[in-house]
Amino acid sequence: EAGVTQSPTHLIKTRGQQATLRCSPISGHTSVYWYQQALGLGLQFLLWYDEGEERNRGNFPPRFSGRQFPNYSSELNVNALELEDSALYLCASSAGDTQYFGPGTRLTVL
Amino acid sequence: AQTVTQSQPEMSVQEAETVTLSCTYDTSENNYYLFWYKQPPSRQMILVIRQEAYKQQNATENRFSVNFQKAAKSFSLKISDSQLGDTAMYFCASAPLGGADGLTFGKGTHLIIQP
Repeated sequence: EAGVTQSPTHLIKTRGQQATLRCSPISGHTSVYWYQQALGLGLQFLLWYDEGEERNRGNFPPRFSGRQFPNYSSELNVNALELEDSALYLCASSAGDTQYFGPGTRLTVL
Repeated sequence: AQTVTQSQPEMSVQEAETVTLSCTYDTSENNYYLFWYKQPPSRQMILVIRQEAYKQQNATENRFSVNFQKAAKSFSLKISDSQLGDTAMYFCASAPLGGADGLTFGKGTHLIIQP
């Protein structure tokens, strides 16, 4: 069974640009979670999508947004990039109360 | 709101030894889950073990076991017969039933297994 996949592996953007990160969940999982792992800040919950709807978001500004498609894959968009958005972005999928993670996308903002 | 605290930033043990990683948490939830995840240098977050808070029996997965003390809000991970491949960051995490708030993670313990 294929695990959670994320693309791209690495992404380099300049300040002010927009970044789009993608996640495909494990087959049969309808929930997708996004987390930010930044140096010095640890792992922080960003967004939760389930059955195509945004269900909850962490303490992040509105320029962090996303969506979930009918096939349950998900996209995270970060607008007006700032230097401090440089981080590893992890996606996780779930069919219950256990989350399984993808390999992450390393976003670098120059 | 939930908080998770890991008080050991780094630990180092010899191969084949047993090591225990500490974790304490705080939550206002009655029903919740606790997890240990492993993040090796590849950065892939891997589930090690999970514990339902309503179950008194401690979870076990092969060489990995937990000591769950609900009243003390303590959730330690024991790794027996440690192997070089166990070298990684280990994160303790909690989540309420239903997962609405996502996982709350501790800051992690960097475990180094020495040959």
